[in-house]
Amino acid sequence: QKEVEQDPGPLSVPEGAIVSLNCTYSNSAFQYFMWYRQYSRKGPELLMYTYSSGNKEDGRFTAQVDKSSKYISLFIRDSQPSDSATYLCAMSDSNSGYALNFGKGTSLLVTP
Amino acid sequence: DVKVTQSSRYLVKRTGEKVFLECVQDMDHENMFWYRQDPGLGLRLIYFSYDVKMKEKGDIPEGYSVSREKKERFSLILESASTNQTSMYLCATQPSEAFFGQGTRLTVV
Repeated sequence: QKEVEQDPGPLSVPEGAIVSLNCTYSNSAFQYFMWYRQYSRKGPELLMYTYSSGNKEDGRFTAQVDKSSKYISLFIRDSQPSDSATYLCAMSDSNSGYALNFGKGTSLLVTP
Repeated sequence: DVKVTQSSRYLVKRTGEKVFLECVQDMDHENMFWYRQDPGLGLRLIYFSYDVKMKEKGDIPEGYSVSREKKERFSLILESASTNQTSMYLCATQPSEAFFGQGTRLTVV
């Protein structure tokens, strides 16, 4: 079983929709959770960073971590065509020297 | 803002060549990482370093080596490039969350 599972999509939504992206994981030691956005032919860009369980909001983006279920989510409100990208989840724990474990990414297309 | 700069965006090299990929960060972070990214396989860790002159193998180190002579610079070396090393290479630095460079798309012909 891979440590981090993420549905690759593609996910296609109309502009203005609420998008929900998810990852599950198996290692209960993970404490740090991240979401990255990657446009085609570019490096990943950090979107959200959370520690342990709970919610974090930044503009149209909300990250949720449920450690009891080993499940993390990224919600995008009022989605825009410029949100079209691949979204990667990542997580780590301090015992492994912060080496990140990535999901394979979900491809999102927001259509006008 | 953290800045991670990779020396080239695109490279084309011939099979058997020795290839150097350079990465420089401006935030005095101790941890630096090299990943490769391939369709369907996601990001895979090649090598990482927690300090100057220190290196650790990641998940797929075969065919690669690294050098870290200065804290801000972490180099990935392909000793003898092969076609199966055609990929997108990403350098990252991280205190706990990772900050990536723009990537180097390497094609080996």
